[in-house]
Amino acid sequence: EDKVVQSPLSLVVHEGDTVTLNCSYEVTNFRSLLWYKQEKKAPTFLFMLTSSGIEKKSGRLSSILDKKELFSILNITATQTGDSAIYLCAVTTDSWGKLQFGAGTQVVVTP
Amino acid sequence: SAVISQKPSRDICQRGTSLTIQCQVDSQVTMMFWYRQQPGQSLTLIATANQGSEATYESGFVIDKFPISRPNLTFSTLTVSNMSPEDSSIYLCSVEGGSGAYEQYFGPGTRLTVT
Repeated sequence: EDKVVQSPLSLVVHEGDTVTLNCSYEVTNFRSLLWYKQEKKAPTFLFMLTSSGIEKKSGRLSSILDKKELFSILNITATQTGDSAIYLCAVTTDSWGKLQFGAGTQVVVTP
Repeated sequence: SAVISQKPSRDICQRGTSLTIQCQVDSQVTMMFWYRQQPGQSLTLIATANQGSEATYESGFVIDKFPISRPNLTFSTLTVSNMSPEDSSIYLCSVEGGSGAYEQYFGPGTRLTVT
């Protein structure tokens, strides 16, 4: 059975801290891994990763994929209160378009 | 990325009734996806909707409970039928990015509460 596991499930940090979120997966016919940020209802797309070892960056956020060890990390540096959200990891396989989500990591950034 | 709208944004419904959720995209897309997010849970795919064919449902979801229409390449509806409190969830539609991009973008979601 395919699995996507995120850790930790939740964490609380102070503004300015660095956060590292983990996503491991066991799926058949892996195609890509995606990260989303969910603040209210709609998940907002952050990154899509398909190749090992290539870091993707957007401002203070970055992510990398390790296809050998079957995991990805999402880093947030110099955290701000606006980074408080649930961060979702999802994996796609050869099943066209289907996203299989992990449980998410709830991040709370305190002033 | 595509601009996606959903209606209604939220609704409170009585058990036994049905609600139809609309999803509109500002560009033509081949596939549209419907997800459910129950309280405190992650997102689960309900079905994939292709224009001109029957929707493909995931395990645990059936057409009688969640009928889907896809009349054209920019629009789809999901109906939640004969609702019970367990159907209280956020319902989201999504589409894949255009120009060969495979990331998925989500609509703003519909928050449904069944009393």
